[in-house]
Amino acid sequence: TQLLEQSPQFLSIQEGENLTVYCNSSSVFSSLQWYRQEPGEGPVLLVTVVTGGEVKKLKRLTFQFGDARKDSSLHITAAQPGDTGLYLCARGGNAGNMLTFGGGTRLMVKP
Amino acid sequence: DTGVSQNPRHKITKRGQNVTFRCDPISEHNRLYWYRQTLGQGPEFLTYFQNEAQLEKSRLLSDRFSAERPKGSFSTLEIQRTEQGDSAMYLCASSRRGPGYGYTFGSGTRLTVV
Repeated sequence: TQLLEQSPQFLSIQEGENLTVYCNSSSVFSSLQWYRQEPGEGPVLLVTVVTGGEVKKLKRLTFQFGDARKDSSLHITAAQPGDTGLYLCARGGNAGNMLTFGGGTRLMVKP
Repeated sequence: DTGVSQNPRHKITKRGQNVTFRCDPISEHNRLYWYRQTLGQGPEFLTYFQNEAQLEKSRLLSDRFSAERPKGSFSTLEIQRTEQGDSAMYLCASSRRGPGYGYTFGSGTRLTVV
């Protein structure tokens, strides 16, 4: 059972379109991280958010942490084929900095 | 910074055999984590070390699984009497101590039990 719900599970779009993926939990996060994973590789950290309402931008990617720190979203503007991958959110643990991951959103951007 | 290194990248083994995977973390990172990931799912926590001490183990880590981190450097994950259900990607990650630090993952070891 995943404590973090990510939606949608799958998303297939054309190059140039915009998209938003979501990460939700019933409990408060101490911190939240977004990772991107390509097939056959480990996840790569994109961003960490720790403050409710925080917004961070990474080129065409915009990350938002909900005011109540129970949800987060990732918005990609003008998606490119290179954005294809599995997008994972992960919440910080109370001890040991252990992360709990969501099930991921698999994004395919077609040229 | 050479990143997190995992060996082997792929392992095919017969059911009932023992396998051992190795992880070399980033040298400045004192925390090391093992995760398991099956197709289409997010990584699931197995265990973590702070230096050489194994501080937490998941209930997913049955008695057939054991992990070590001698001298707080590299780590090994051993699976005894492998079962087909053990087939998965085994990911190692390291991080600095403290909340908010992200993980640096290795490329994983893909285990196939036939």
